[in-house]
Amino acid sequence: NAGVTQTPKFQVLKTGQSMTLQCAQDMNHEYMSWYRQDPGMGLRLIHYSVGAGITDQGEVPNGYNVSRSTTEDFPLRLLSAAPSQTSVYFCASTAGLHQPQHFGDGTRLSIL
Amino acid sequence: SQQGEEDPQALSIQEGENATMNCSYKTSINNLQWYRQNSGRGLVHLILIRSNEREKHSGRLRVTLDTSKKSSSLLITASRAADTASYFCATVFYGNNRLAFGKGNQVVVIP
Repeated sequence: NAGVTQTPKFQVLKTGQSMTLQCAQDMNHEYMSWYRQDPGMGLRLIHYSVGAGITDQGEVPNGYNVSRSTTEDFPLRLLSAAPSQTSVYFCASTAGLHQPQHFGDGTRLSIL
Repeated sequence: SQQGEEDPQALSIQEGENATMNCSYKTSINNLQWYRQNSGRGLVHLILIRSNEREKHSGRLRVTLDTSKKSSSLLITASRAADTASYFCATVFYGNNRLAFGKGNQVVVIP
């Protein structure tokens, strides 16, 4: 049972480049989220989805897009990378907000 | 901010001692959750406590919730070196379907 799988694990981008962070879960969870973690800031919610075809903004959505075409996948797109988006990105899924969240191991992203 | 805030933010203890961390929040919650993060890894769920519960146990972990004080505590008894990690509280607020995390609490257990 793989749980939540994030790819890539590491990525270096140049300012202005775009890329997609992949997230897949095999637990048939309806609820998926993307967080970014910065030193001293804890985890901040970027976007989340309560089911296929439904997404909503979190605390820090600017510069990111998401889509949810299937229950399993929830990719995060950086439209035009900026140094301020250097961070560790975590994807999580849960069966509901009264249930534990399952996290991937993260993507470490550096923007030069 | 609606986010929970952990206290103390850094804790260093000897192996075998108990470690207590607190989390405070500002508005009414649906539930409160505690997570652990080992260095370089994702977060792992420890305990979820609902707003109508006052205490929950899981192995060496004990979580309490005081909704009148808007606070929760996580107690790790008989700590081990493997408990060295960051610990986060996270809350789901009424009328909101998001999980908001605090900034975390770094615990170092010295063998």
